[in-house]
Amino acid sequence: GEDVEQSLFLSVREGDSSVINCTYTDSSSTYLYWYKQEPGAGLQLLTYIFSNMDMKQDQRLTVLLNKKDKHLSLRIADTQTGDSAIYFCAEHVDSNYQLIWGAGTKLIIKP
Amino acid sequence: DVKVTQSSRYLVKRTGEKVFLECVQDMDHENMFWYRQDPGLGLRLIYFSYDVKMKEKGDIPEGYSVSREKKERFSLILESASTNQTSMYLCASTQDNSYEQYFGPGTRLTVT
Repeated sequence: GEDVEQSLFLSVREGDSSVINCTYTDSSSTYLYWYKQEPGAGLQLLTYIFSNMDMKQDQRLTVLLNKKDKHLSLRIADTQTGDSAIYFCAEHVDSNYQLIWGAGTKLIIKP
Repeated sequence: DVKVTQSSRYLVKRTGEKVFLECVQDMDHENMFWYRQDPGLGLRLIYFSYDVKMKEKGDIPEGYSVSREKKERFSLILESASTNQTSMYLCASTQDNSYEQYFGPGTRLTVT
């Protein structure tokens, strides 16, 4: 079946770049998403990429998609304390609006 | 701005109690979802609804039921709460022809 995998934790120093990785198994994905969950809050869509793209940039965020390896990454440049959150990778493969979710990567910022 | 609200942020219930979690969205979205979020497991889909009175089981429907009598409201019901249902419950909605899900702030349920 479909599966989305992420590491559970990532620790970086303030000002460095963070790279959060995600692998997925279903090659028929149409959209891949990154959601952000700040402490005590629900999830918010951060960015997404369509499966026929290999890169998308939005200010400090860069999404890279390697379809051959089924690998998605989110790079946050100049990581700030406000970037502390859990980042979820999700893919859409079905026609009924369901998403397949990763377990979430907790980004920890060291001063 | 799309707004998804959930009736409670924190809830404490006793084993065996019937629990209602309410979710309301104000953007006329057709599709609504209930997830539970547990550390290391991410989001697991309990039920979703693609129209009024329509529902589909997700990955972990056991011990839960849902109700969607009005388009804007989707309720999650725990008929007889158990301690293994202690979790964070997240509601989300999306409109047809869009896969972007909008989330409520979550309800942290503790069953003692």
